[in-house]
Amino acid sequence: QQQVKQSPQSLIVQKGGISIINCAYENTAFDYFPWYQQFPGKGPALLIAIRPDVSEKKEGRFTISFNKSAKQFSLHIMDSQPGDSATYFCAASPGGTSYGKLTFGQGTILTVHP
Amino acid sequence: DADVTQTPRNRITKTGKRIMLECSQTKGHDRMYWYRQDPGLGLRLIYYSFDVKDINKGEISDGYSVSRQAQAKFSLSLESAIPNQTALYFCATSVGVNYGYTFGSGTRLTVV
Repeated sequence: QQQVKQSPQSLIVQKGGISIINCAYENTAFDYFPWYQQFPGKGPALLIAIRPDVSEKKEGRFTISFNKSAKQFSLHIMDSQPGDSATYFCAASPGGTSYGKLTFGQGTILTVHP
Repeated sequence: DADVTQTPRNRITKTGKRIMLECSQTKGHDRMYWYRQDPGLGLRLIYYSFDVKDINKGEISDGYSVSRQAQAKFSLSLESAIPNQTALYFCATSVGVNYGYTFGSGTRLTVV
């Protein structure tokens, strides 16, 4: 039972290009949608997050787009750099008593070629 | 020192052996989690604890047990390891009003 589905599994982008990773969720109780970035040998680290009351959030070169009606959200990395090469996970969390328990997507391995 | 420390970093064990993975944190967070990472499957929740007296099963708890010895310590045990428990294991912490997780650097476990 995969409540958060992420695609693509891997992505290769040229330096300066736009990287786009997509996620879809099923549980309408989800109300917090973070993205995590993981470098080899390290644990994931919070990159950017959004709540469903906004359709877009931008932090530097990273933007989350959120479509509540379609139950989809995506991460856009503008001007992708070789240092962005990492594994990216989308996640979702509901409110209420399950507060703070994240369900993760399958992960996307991003490679940015110089 | 790291905020969330996992030991050991790497472990090879034999089928049927009991093994414990340990996690300690200096963040002062109440909430602690154990996740398992497998290629193509992402991070899946094994167990979580919202305070010292609270232990909850995640989506894949079968074959695992946990102990919350203190606010700062949360251990994961495999009572009788099997090869399909070969994976990368992560401990994470969070604060109740702050959604962000702080992850440890992981334990790579191989069961042969």
